[in-house]
Amino acid sequence: DQQVKQNSPSLSVQEGRISILNCDYTNSMFDYFLWYKKYPAEGPTFLISISSIKDKNEDGRFTVFLNKSAKHLSLHIVPSQPGDSAVYFCAASYNFNKFYFGSGTKLNVKP
Amino acid sequence: DAMVIQNPRYQVTQFGKPVTLSCSQTLNHNVMYWYQQKSSQAPKLLFHYYDKDFNNEADTPDNFQSRRPNTSFCFLDIRSPGLGDAAMYLCATSRVGRGGSGYTFGSGTRLTVV
Repeated sequence: DQQVKQNSPSLSVQEGRISILNCDYTNSMFDYFLWYKKYPAEGPTFLISISSIKDKNEDGRFTVFLNKSAKHLSLHIVPSQPGDSAVYFCAASYNFNKFYFGSGTKLNVKP
Repeated sequence: DAMVIQNPRYQVTQFGKPVTLSCSQTLNHNVMYWYQQKSSQAPKLLFHYYDKDFNNEADTPDNFQSRRPNTSFCFLDIRSPGLGDAAMYLCATSRVGRGGSGYTFGSGTRLTVV
């Protein structure tokens, strides 16, 4: 049973525009959420996180929004750059030491 | 640089022939994880070590075993690989009690079963 879902396998955005990647979860116990970025032939790298006590966290061009009532989080990248092209995974945890991952969204930022 | 290293990057094994994947870390993290990721699917947790305590996921096949001889190293043993075990295997580490930046991942080992 997939507890974390990323329903869009791919997204294509023009350079300079906003990229919005979405993630839904089913377990209301989740209290910590992460986004990872993965380039081909590399392991995932941490991008940004958010705790359930917040509804927004910002780091430079990256902002994560959390809607607990909808069990939904999103990652906004503004402005998008070609170097942002990668696969993005969201992950959720309720005990900090065991994360459940979505299946990823492949972002393509076109120059 | 402190990091998580997985060897080899690519592994080809024969159907039914035991294979071992290795992971080492210089972060001194006390939790180490093994994930299996098949194409276009979410990484799936197989098991993790909290220090020396082994924690197996309920749906991890018996064919998969793990060893952690010390803090720095963790091994994934597949006793009799089947074609369905072909996947990317990701090792990750974390510090207990606080996810912080969550996991630090290795680059993965892509396993092919022929």
